[in-house]
Amino acid sequence: ILNVEQSPQSLHVQEGDSTNFTCSFPSSNFYALHWYRWETAKSPEALFVMTLNGDEKKKGRISATLNTKEGYSYLYIKGSQPEDSATYLCALLFYDKVIFGPGTSLSVIP
Amino acid sequence: DTAVSQTPKYLVTQMGNDKSIKCEQNLGHDTMYWYKQDSKKFLKIMFSYNNKELIINETVPNRFSPKSPDKAHLNLHINSLELGDSAVYFCASSHNLGVTEAFFGQGTRLTVV
Repeated sequence: ILNVEQSPQSLHVQEGDSTNFTCSFPSSNFYALHWYRWETAKSPEALFVMTLNGDEKKKGRISATLNTKEGYSYLYIKGSQPEDSATYLCALLFYDKVIFGPGTSLSVIP
Repeated sequence: DTAVSQTPKYLVTQMGNDKSIKCEQNLGHDTMYWYKQDSKKFLKIMFSYNNKELIINETVPNRFSPKSPDKAHLNLHINSLELGDSAVYFCASSHNLGVTEAFFGQGTRLTVV
């Protein structure tokens, strides 16, 4: 069974700090990697879809990179704000399955 | 306008009953999914349909049966409900098997008593 891991499991940062977390995977046979932001009591919200080794995506203060050769994707948040507090999930899409990581829980302290 | 809508939002039912959860998307997507959020809050794929055709069918009990009457709908029917079926179920949709971002419904919290 393929394991998608995310680290750290949880993170507390001060408002204004920049932070990053990792999604790591042992296989590159997927065709897309998704990052989601999931606030408590809401549904996951798509952040990025990454498909190629070396992909870099940016949306405002949040950006992501993908390295399929070494088996990781990074998500960066610049100048964290309290509204960034959420769980960040990555998911790998294969033709016959979708595997989510366990998530990184981010708390931004005002 | 809600992009992906699931009904009902909450469902409380007795063991042994049969129930359905409906999902509709108005985004024109061709791929729809059902996910189960397990007790550890992990999201696990159950089924995926592309253009009404079943493409992902994970190891779930055959009491769970998806039905896609058209591209905009993917309903989940559950027979003979068991206590362990209690969970939050999410529907989602995307284009082209997920090479574009997926949009999730608000979730259905199923409680089996």
